[in-house]
Amino acid sequence: KAGVTQTPRYLIKTRGQQVTLSCSPISGHRSVSWYQQTPGQGLQFLFEYFSETQRNKGNFPGRFSGRQFSNSRSEMNVSTLELGDSALYLCASSVGTDTTGNTIYFGEGSWLTVV
Amino acid sequence: QKEVEQNSGPLSVPEGAIASLNCTYSDRVSQSFFWYRQYSGKSPELIMSIYSNGDKEDGRFTAQLNKASQYVSLLIRDSQPSDSATYLCASGRGGAAGNKLTFGGGTRVLVKP
Repeated sequence: KAGVTQTPRYLIKTRGQQVTLSCSPISGHRSVSWYQQTPGQGLQFLFEYFSETQRNKGNFPGRFSGRQFSNSRSEMNVSTLELGDSALYLCASSVGTDTTGNTIYFGEGSWLTVV
Repeated sequence: QKEVEQNSGPLSVPEGAIASLNCTYSDRVSQSFFWYRQYSGKSPELIMSIYSNGDKEDGRFTAQLNKASQYVSLLIRDSQPSDSATYLCASGRGGAAGNKLTFGGGTRVLVKP
């Protein structure tokens, strides 16, 4: 069974540019969540999508957005990149949308460097 | 105060010994708790989940939850060098909060041969 697939794995962008990251969840999983991991702030929740609807959103500026398609694949977009957006962006998928009794699996992540 | 607190370590443990990791949380509404292992440069991997007070064992790992004290712990028995990693404690409210997990900063564990 294929795991959570994220693309691209590594990318370098310039300040002010935008970036789109893609996530394909495990087959049959309808929930996709995104997290940002930095050395200073650790792992922080960005948002969750379930059945193409944003279910929850973390405390990030509006430059961070996402969407989910009918096949459960998800994309996140960061506009007007800042140096502080350099991070590991992790996608997580699960069958349902409740942490109780629901296993959440992480992808390998996308390493974003903003220069 | 962070919602989920962990000692950053490093926790140095001799091979074969027991590693004991602790985590406290401030959100009393949290219903589910998780321990993830993350190797350097890799993504988090789920080790244990626990939802009820008490102990839960899985192989060499035992998770303990005490909701009254808002405390979660992880014991790693017979520690191996391959257990050297950062261990992340996470909590979830469930329900309307969906799959949102709140993570602690992680405890770095070093198992010395």
